[in-house]
Amino acid sequence: GAVVSQHPSRVICKSGTSVKIECRSLDFQATTMFWYRQFPKQSLMLMATSNEGSKATYEQGVEKDKFLINHASLTLSTLTVTSAHPEDSSFYICSARSFLEGNTIYFGEGSWLTVV
Amino acid sequence: GQQVMQIPQYQHVQEGEDFTTYCNSSTTLSNIQWYKQRPGGHPVFLIQLVKSGEVKKQKRLTFQFGEAKKNSSLHITATQTTDVGTYFCAGLRYSGGGADGLTFGKGTHLIIQP
Repeated sequence: GAVVSQHPSRVICKSGTSVKIECRSLDFQATTMFWYRQFPKQSLMLMATSNEGSKATYEQGVEKDKFLINHASLTLSTLTVTSAHPEDSSFYICSARSFLEGNTIYFGEGSWLTVV
Repeated sequence: GQQVMQIPQYQHVQEGEDFTTYCNSSTTLSNIQWYKQRPGGHPVFLIQLVKSGEVKKQKRLTFQFGEAKKNSSLHITATQTTDVGTYFCAGLRYSGGGADGLTFGKGTHLIIQP
C-alpha cells in the first residue's frame, strides 16, 4: 500500500532556532498534503493544507509566518517551525491524499519535536 | 467551522465485551474515515465510508454511516487486548477554495481489562 515517510521522527532543538520536518509520499503522487499537530492525549488538529505548487492554506489560529510550509513537488512537503519556543513542543504529523484511491489519506509516522 | 463530536471520550470494557464509539458532525460530510492510534503510535487508517447509510465490516469491526451523512459509528464485537488504543473519526470536508481537510473527532480511548 501507499507509504508516507516523515523525517525526522524525533528532534530536539534550542529555543530560537528553526527546525524542518519533511513529508514524502514514497509510491504515489500527492497533490495535497496535510499537516497536523497533536498535544498529549488530544485529538489531531489540522494546521494547514499544502497544495503542490501553491501557497498553503492555514487553519484559523495557526501562524503562517511561524509554521512555514513548502510543497515543492508532488512527493514532498516540508514544515519549518521558525524561532521555536518550548510551547511548540508537540507531535507533528503529515498526511498525503492519494487521488488514485478515492481520497484515501495516508499518514506519516509523525515527528516528535522538543524545544529546550 | 465544521465540528466533529465524538463520544465517549473514554471507555473501559472487560475483554470479550462489545464497544461502540459515535461521531456526529455539525455539517454534512463528503465522507468519513476511521483511524486507530495505538499508545505512542501514529493514526492508522481503518476504513472510509462514502455512501449514505453505508455499512462496512472488517472482521469484528462494524462501521456505519448515517443516512444524513452527519453521523457515524464504530462497533467492535467481543473486544480483545489488541483492540486497545484511541479510535478517531474524521470527516472530510471541502472548502470554497477547493482545499480538502479532515476534521478529527477528539477520539475515544478504549481501555480493556483482562
